[in-house]
Amino acid sequence: DVKVTQSSRYLVKRTGEKVFLECVQDMDHENMFWYRQDPGLGLRLIYFSYDVKMKEKGDIPEGYSVSREKKERFSLILESASTNQTSMYLCASGTVYEQYFGPGTRLTVT
Amino acid sequence: QKEVEQDPGPLSVPEGAIVSLNCTYSNSAFQYFMWYRQYSRKGPELLMYTYSSGNKEDGRFTAQVDKSSKYISLFIRDSQPSDSATYLCAISGGGSNYKLTFGKGTLLTVNP
Repeated sequence: DVKVTQSSRYLVKRTGEKVFLECVQDMDHENMFWYRQDPGLGLRLIYFSYDVKMKEKGDIPEGYSVSREKKERFSLILESASTNQTSMYLCASGTVYEQYFGPGTRLTVT
Repeated sequence: QKEVEQDPGPLSVPEGAIVSLNCTYSNSAFQYFMWYRQYSRKGPELLMYTYSSGNKEDGRFTAQVDKSSKYISLFIRDSQPSDSATYLCAISGGGSNYKLTFGKGTLLTVNP
């Protein structure tokens, strides 16, 4: 069974903190993705990676960076968390037509 | 014009009804058309995908793509309370373009 796991389901951080969100997949996919989901705005792509150490910006990369040192792991980094980054963060892995999502991390920045 | 438009609903139907969910898109280069289901407080799960035009059926679910109208649909027959969820359409250009563009989702409630 396909599995994408995310390090935390709920996270509360303070403004200005550095935040790491971790994602691990066990399907040997080359492509991994980070999205955020907000009411009324839907799912928006932050970054994606098509190979180890390779990354491309999505629609809303500002304020975020990513790291992919191993094929199965893709990290999203908030260098200095701000309140407008309070959101549901979803990781996915897969192909162009078949992406598998993790359960999400609900991040609150206070 | 937004790339993908989806009526957010909410949509409420009685058990057993036929449900029709729809999206329109603007870019004729899109080739892959997907439908995801998302239960409350969970990640989206892929229901089905279609390449180019045509229909695809999987049990009670039928996906339909009309590229000439830039219109995609998901039909649910004999709807069940367990179908209550948010349904998201997603579209991709295919090839080396791995980016999915999602609709905002339609919240469906099937009442027993």
